[in-house]
Amino acid sequence: GQSLEQPSEVTAVEGAIVQINCTYQTSGFYGLSWYQQHDGGAPTFLSYNALDGLEETGRFSSFLSRSDSYGYLLLQELQMKDSASYFCAVRDRRGGKLIFGQGTELSVKP
Amino acid sequence: EAGVTQFPSHSVIEKGQTVTLRCDPISGHDNLYWYRRVMGKEIKFLLHFVKESKQDESGMPNNRFLAERTGGTYSTLKVQPAELEDSGVYFCASSGGKNIQYFGAGTRLSVL
Repeated sequence: GQSLEQPSEVTAVEGAIVQINCTYQTSGFYGLSWYQQHDGGAPTFLSYNALDGLEETGRFSSFLSRSDSYGYLLLQELQMKDSASYFCAVRDRRGGKLIFGQGTELSVKP
Repeated sequence: EAGVTQFPSHSVIEKGQTVTLRCDPISGHDNLYWYRRVMGKEIKFLLHFVKESKQDESGMPNNRFLAERTGGTYSTLKVQPAELEDSGVYFCASSGGKNIQYFGAGTRLSVL
């Protein structure tokens, strides 16, 4: 079957760095995306990796290793507003559907 | 530019009733997707439109669910008759052909 595994919860303090890992097993692979969701609202796109390596966007970075079927989202200089759910998602083909992990609940403490 | 909008934001209905959810994608986006999140589970794909055509409907749970996208603009998802297990949050997303899907805020459906 197709599955993505990520931790269910992560807790960190303001100003710290946190890494959320994602491993995937899918029939096809056309990129790994990360989404943020606050309080059950609209999932908001954060990043996309199609090739191996690190993509940096401000305080957020995302990494992909296709040979290991593994990626992570790195959040630096954590702020209270970063408390949210974070989902990794794989697109199984060009233009196709996203297959989501169960989400990681990040709690940022003062 | 307006984002993906969904209506209604909440719907509470009784088992056996019919509910229709609507999604307005970002203007010009040919790709429209429906997803659903049932309590405590992951967001799951339902179906994918390219313009008015169903590209992939492999995630539709059963024939009580009917999706349309007449004219290739907005889409509706009808559940008839609704069952208790249909409760959840229904998300719509659209894409303009790039690698990003933009999501709406969802419709929270409660079937009692």
